[in-house]
Amino acid sequence: GNSVTQMEGPVTLSEEAFLTINCTYTATGYPSLFWYVQYPGEGLQLLLKATKADDKGSNKGFEATYRKETTSFHLEKGSVQVSDSAVYFCALRRDDKIIFGKGTRLHILP
Amino acid sequence: EPEVTQTPSHQVTQMGQEVILRCVPISNHLYFYWYRQILGQKVEFLVSFYNNEISEKSEIFDDQFSVERPDGSNFTLKIRSTKLEDSAMYFCASSEAGVRTDTQYFGPGTRLTVL
Repeated sequence: GNSVTQMEGPVTLSEEAFLTINCTYTATGYPSLFWYVQYPGEGLQLLLKATKADDKGSNKGFEATYRKETTSFHLEKGSVQVSDSAVYFCALRRDDKIIFGKGTRLHILP
Repeated sequence: EPEVTQTPSHQVTQMGQEVILRCVPISNHLYFYWYRQILGQKVEFLVSFYNNEISEKSEIFDDQFSVERPDGSNFTLKIRSTKLEDSAMYFCASSEAGVRTDTQYFGPGTRLTVL
């Protein structure tokens, strides 16, 4: 079946540290891949997406590359800020529905 | 920037009561969705809706649930007789097209508490 696995949190980093949140997927065919972010008290916001192999999605300094050979879509940022503290969800789209990972809570310390 | 809105932000109800959760999708979008997130768990797909019909639904979306687009702007989720396990955050989403490359835009959610 289709599923998304992402690293367990919480992840705690100091400001300006390098961030990686790992995400791998299982899917038939070629799904589109997404990262959504949920800031405290808010809903799900699209952070970035990639729709085919080797595509790189980027937004607000975050990047993720669609790797078909390793079925991965890891999220990276070179220098995190306190304002990046949130829950990050890796997801794939098959047909009508989006299938989410469990989410990774990120804490950034000043 | 256009956004999906949902009302109310928090709904408290007694077990067995009916609730209606409301959503206003982005105005030029044609595809509508409901998801839910039980506290501490994954966000789960409930149902998709296009052209006044359900196009896909999950096994969670049983006879207690229904969706409707009563007018040109609102999209509603009704739970006929709420159970304790229906307590969750419910997210509405919409997309312009139904293809796999299209982005679904989510609302801020309605927190439903069933007592």
